[in-house]
Amino acid sequence: GAVVSQHPSRVICKSGTSVKIECRSLDFQATTMFWYRQFPKQSLMLMATSNEGSKATYEQGVEKDKFLINHASLTLSTLTVTSAHPEDSSFYICSAGDRANYGYTFGSGTRLTVV
Amino acid sequence: AQKITQTQPGMFVQEKEAVTLDCTYDTSDQSYGLFWYKQPSSGEMIFLIYQGSYDEQNATEGRYSLNFQKARKSANLVISASQLGDSAMYFCAMPHSGYNKLIFGAGTRLAVHP
Repeated sequence: GAVVSQHPSRVICKSGTSVKIECRSLDFQATTMFWYRQFPKQSLMLMATSNEGSKATYEQGVEKDKFLINHASLTLSTLTVTSAHPEDSSFYICSAGDRANYGYTFGSGTRLTVV
Repeated sequence: AQKITQTQPGMFVQEKEAVTLDCTYDTSDQSYGLFWYKQPSSGEMIFLIYQGSYDEQNATEGRYSLNFQKARKSANLVISASQLGDSAMYFCAMPHSGYNKLIFGAGTRLAVHP
């Protein structure tokens, strides 16, 4: 079946530094990937749609300059949290479109803690 | 605009019993799909079952079945013969109209008791 690999699974960083999270489709090509954020005990909130070879489409209220998304190839999208602050601490999870799972396969998520 | 509503923040069930998790939705689309995902404490999102709005039969996948009532705009998940490993968060979701992106309900936390 379709597999989406997300790394790292956990990361702790200092306030003011940047963190990059990778999302890879291992056995299929994904022209579109999605990045979600999830606070504890809450639902997934879509942050942005990552489009291969073009700019990402951000949801209302998401800071483009803080959450940089790059989708340089059909198998890789990256989310960079720039100048991270403690309030950016959250669970970030990506998904990619694939035909096998009716269009959506999720990565395993990244738990970001900013100290 | 589409909306997914899950009104049960938490549910518990005895092991081996069946449980129904509620999901109602609102959409103006004629053709749409509904998903259920399981999220254990590890955080991964596990696809459980999918129902297309034009599917004549209710979807079933092993112990999971979907009680799809189109007129009521409900797509409840039924888990039969609950197991301890079923304890997790469960999310109902549907694609946003005209886009690939999924919108999620608030989720239901299921606890299976021995």
